[in-house]
Amino acid sequence: DTAVSQTPKYLVTQMGNDKSIKCEQNLGHDTMYWYKQDSKKFLKIMFSYNNKELIINETVPNRFSPKSPDKAHLNLHINSLELGDSAVYFCASSQDSDIYGYTFGSGTRLTVV
Amino acid sequence: AQSVAQPEDQVNVAEGNPLTVKCTYSVSGNPYLFWYVQYPNRGLQFLLKYITGDNLVKGSYGFEAEFNKSQTSFHLKKPSALVSDSALYFCAVRDFSQAGTALIFGKGTTLSVSS
Repeated sequence: DTAVSQTPKYLVTQMGNDKSIKCEQNLGHDTMYWYKQDSKKFLKIMFSYNNKELIINETVPNRFSPKSPDKAHLNLHINSLELGDSAVYFCASSQDSDIYGYTFGSGTRLTVV
Repeated sequence: AQSVAQPEDQVNVAEGNPLTVKCTYSVSGNPYLFWYVQYPNRGLQFLLKYITGDNLVKGSYGFEAEFNKSQTSFHLKKPSALVSDSALYFCAVRDFSQAGTALIFGKGTTLSVSS
């Protein structure tokens, strides 16, 4: 009964490859997010989707592209991976009217070698 | 632009002593403030929030936080620390006056509780 689930949990890949991280929430929330946590543990918003529509698109390279087939899913596709993309990526969801903040997934640790 | 600041990278306390993790905020409009905790290799877990009402809010695991509008602060506190409280703590703010805004996190404070 995981509320926000991400797959895979760990991802090791070579530079230049293309990879995807999947996220699904079963909470009925209408907004989903991707955050990046760098090696210093700093959390930065990357994207926000509300009912399949892109709301927030912070300054991230064009190599990162979110895709939301429905409001329960928000996948992150990364092209031409670089060493600097190594980080932990967190998916989260919320209800806009929900004052409890977000529910986070357990994260995907991406290592680019 | 909205932001939160956590001035301490690390806080060290002995088990049984009170703890405080500091947070200050900057936001236009009404601040909605949150504390999250992250245990090693885990996602973030919600601890507590301030939306409106009493300035002292109580949350999970015996934590509480005091909202101080004049000092624009939202410090996290616990009367008696446990070793199991050792983790990374994030303060966050969300400005609901702007549609589609995201939670903005501070840089995090590592809490270390020694036995």
